[in-house]
Amino acid sequence: KAGVTQTPRYLIKTRGQQVTLSCSPISGHRSVSWYQQTPGQGLQFLFEYFSETQRNKGNFPGRFSGRQFSNSRSEMNVSTLELGDSALYLCASSLGSGNQPQHFGDGTRLSIL
Amino acid sequence: GEDVEQSLFLSVREGDSSVINCTYTDSSSTYLYWYKQEPGAGLQLLTYIFSNMDMKQDQRLTVLLNKKDKHLSLRIADTQTGDSAIYFCAESRNNDMRFGAGTRLTVKP
Repeated sequence: KAGVTQTPRYLIKTRGQQVTLSCSPISGHRSVSWYQQTPGQGLQFLFEYFSETQRNKGNFPGRFSGRQFSNSRSEMNVSTLELGDSALYLCASSLGSGNQPQHFGDGTRLSIL
Repeated sequence: GEDVEQSLFLSVREGDSSVINCTYTDSSSTYLYWYKQEPGAGLQLLTYIFSNMDMKQDQRLTVLLNKKDKHLSLRIADTQTGDSAIYFCAESRNNDMRFGAGTRLTVKP
């Protein structure tokens, strides 16, 4: 069974640009969660999607948004990029019910110049 | 403060046992997890324990749960250099997962 796939693996952008990251969950998983990981702040929850609806949301500004498609694939978008958005963005999928464990992709490393 | 707390660093010698500790605050948490992160990779699920269990063993890994003290530990027997990584403790309740800051385990030959 294929794991969680995130694309691209690496991305370099400049301030003010916008970026879209993609996540394909494990087959059969309906929940997709996004996290931002930085050395200073650790792992921070961005949002979770289940059946194309945002079910949970963390404490990030509106520049961070996401969506989920009918095949459970998810995208995350960050607009008006800032230097502080440089981070590893991790996606995790789960069945979505009954506190099933989350399975992570290898992440997209975003660098803002 | 953090909902889930872990010490930041642990250093052991190859062949010794490693014990990574974690405390959590939500007594309603139903599952508790241990993840491993190697450089350049995502988090790999190592093991998890349901909150009504005290212990779970899986090969070299032993998870102990003290629900009264809200304390979780991960013991790695016969620690190898390949075990060097960051280990994250996490709790979940109602599909909401919370992670600790991670413990960096260094294994010296």
